[in-house]
Amino acid sequence: AQSVAQPEDQVNVAEGNPLTVKCTYSVSGNPYLFWYVQYPNRGLQFLLKYITGDNLVKGSYGFEAEFNKSQTSFHLKKPSALVSDSALYFCAVRESYNTDKLIFGTGTRLQVFP
Amino acid sequence: DADVTQTPRNRITKTGKRIMLECSQTKGHDRMYWYRQDPGLGLRLIYYSFDVKDINKGEISDGYSVSRQAQAKFSLSLESAIPNQTALYFCATSLGTEAFFGQGTRLTVV
Repeated sequence: AQSVAQPEDQVNVAEGNPLTVKCTYSVSGNPYLFWYVQYPNRGLQFLLKYITGDNLVKGSYGFEAEFNKSQTSFHLKKPSALVSDSALYFCAVRESYNTDKLIFGTGTRLQVFP
Repeated sequence: DADVTQTPRNRITKTGKRIMLECSQTKGHDRMYWYRQDPGLGLRLIYYSFDVKDINKGEISDGYSVSRQAQAKFSLSLESAIPNQTALYFCATSLGTEAFFGQGTRLTVV
């Protein structure tokens, strides 16, 4: 069965520093991977996706993610964190090739300190 | 206006009561979903629909039912609410790749 794991419940980073939010996946076949962000009292917003092609995927708000097949990882990154990036981040994988049902990780809370 | 609208945004209900959560979308997507979010568990799929006449159970459908009244409307019902159904509920739509989420309904069952 497809699954994703987010090993960190919370990540703390100082404003201006680079940030990484980790995600590893387990799939049979080619993975379709996603990152979503949830701001307080808001729904989930799509950040970026990996379907195929370049391993470095660029998304919204300056975020990017690196797909690493050998390490089965899809870590979310940003070169310089902002306080406004503080939110809950979810990694997700499509359940199978012929469906767009998503399997979500448990989420990582990112806290960026001034 | 939001593309995916959920009503109500907040609701407190008593154990045993029937409650309906509604979702409407203006994106024109055929695929609609209901998810439940619990702290530390992420989002889990309750039901999904790929078409007006198509209803499918997700991983945690027990205690819930849905109705797809039109392409744009997908409602979730709790026939007899229980306290462990207290959660944040999200509706989502999709055209085939990424999903678009509503702002959520916070449901408390007392």
